[in-house]
Amino acid sequence: QQQVKQSPQSLIVQKGGISIINCAYENTAFDYFPWYQQFPGKGPALLIAIRPDVSEKKEGRFTISFNKSAKQFSLHIMDSQPGDSATYFCAAQGGSEKLVFGKGMKLTVNP
Amino acid sequence: SAVISQKPSRDICQRGTSLTIQCQVDSQVTMMFWYRQQPGQSLTLIATANQGSEATYESGFVIDKFPISRPNLTFSTLTVSNMSPEDSSIYLCSVLSGGWGYTFGSGTRLTVV
Repeated sequence: QQQVKQSPQSLIVQKGGISIINCAYENTAFDYFPWYQQFPGKGPALLIAIRPDVSEKKEGRFTISFNKSAKQFSLHIMDSQPGDSATYFCAAQGGSEKLVFGKGMKLTVNP
Repeated sequence: SAVISQKPSRDICQRGTSLTIQCQVDSQVTMMFWYRQQPGQSLTLIATANQGSEATYESGFVIDKFPISRPNLTFSTLTVSNMSPEDSSIYLCSVLSGGWGYTFGSGTRLTVV
């Protein structure tokens, strides 16, 4: 059973556009929701993370929106740039659960 | 955050052989984690390694296939034993760094032929 469901699997946007990635979870014990960015040949790098006591967190062009009642969270990338082209993973962790990852989304930003 | 060095970065191995992957952290950490990332897939936790105790393996992973050593608070190794082509993956080391984040090494890209 997949604990964190991520969509879409891939996304193509134009430079300057908004990229949106959605994730949903079932386990209410989760209390830490990070997003990772992975470039080819590299390990995942923490991009931004949120805990359920806030509904939104913004860092530069990256914003996490969190809906605790719906058990959903999303990543918005504003003003998307070709350098943002990478694979993005949502993840969740909490209680006795280990960090679990969504299946990932490959983002392509066209110049 | 912690800096992780992982070696080798890639290797091509013959089936039936074993490969040991090293993970060195620039600071002392309690727990180290080993993940597998199959081609084009997400990350799956193999095991958690604590210094001074046996590693804890996740469902589907066994010690005979993936023995782990954790001799001190900055170093760990993962061995992939008796390899088959199905073991071709990226293997990643991770640590909990600071108050929140899990830091990952660059990974070892293993191809078994």
